[in-house]
Amino acid sequence: KQEVTQIPAALSVPEGENLVLNCSFTDSAIYNLQWFRQDHGKGLTSLLLIQSSQREQTSGRLNASLDKSSGRSTLYIAASQPGDSATYLCAVSGGGADGLTFGKGTHLIIQP
Amino acid sequence: GAVVSQHPSRVICKSGTSVKIECRSLDFQATTMFWYRQFPKQSLMLMATSNEGSKATYEQGVEKDKFLINHASLTLSTLTVTSAHPEDSSFYICSARWGGQGNEQFFGPGTRLTVL
Repeated sequence: KQEVTQIPAALSVPEGENLVLNCSFTDSAIYNLQWFRQDHGKGLTSLLLIQSSQREQTSGRLNASLDKSSGRSTLYIAASQPGDSATYLCAVSGGGADGLTFGKGTHLIIQP
Repeated sequence: GAVVSQHPSRVICKSGTSVKIECRSLDFQATTMFWYRQFPKQSLMLMATSNEGSKATYEQGVEKDKFLINHASLTLSTLTVTSAHPEDSSFYICSARWGGQGNEQFFGPGTRLTVL
């Protein structure tokens, strides 16, 4: 059964710092990996989708990488802003499940 | 990206009543729809997968007689929580996908269910 782990569970940093959030998964037979943002009490906002054949995806200040063989992904956030404060979820498709398997998330706080 | 809607966004009901949640893909045909549940301070957990015109496939530990799923068309799936109890209080989110497992899932905004 696929398992997804996210490290750290929580992170609090001053505004302007560059950040790295980590995600690992146990079964490398994935179709794709997706990073989401979830504000407190709200739904999901899709940030980046990386297909299994891809190495990375970029959108604005966000960059996500995928190393499928080692079962790892990182989300890099450049020049963090208070508006980036949210929970960031990593999810994979495949590895035995049709739906997405989610990690528990990284709760991020950017201090003004 | 594609748009998925959910209705209602929030519902409060008494214990023992049934609640129906609708999930619609607004601008594409969803061959597969998924239902997830998120308890407070927990991540999303897949409850069931439904393909249009077929019976839903439930994840281990999810009672199919309690969580009735209907996927009658390519744009609509419903989740009915029957005889809801306080422990069913949760955030329910649906997603929709066109085609196979390599394609992206698009998520609805979620429904917060509170059972008194």
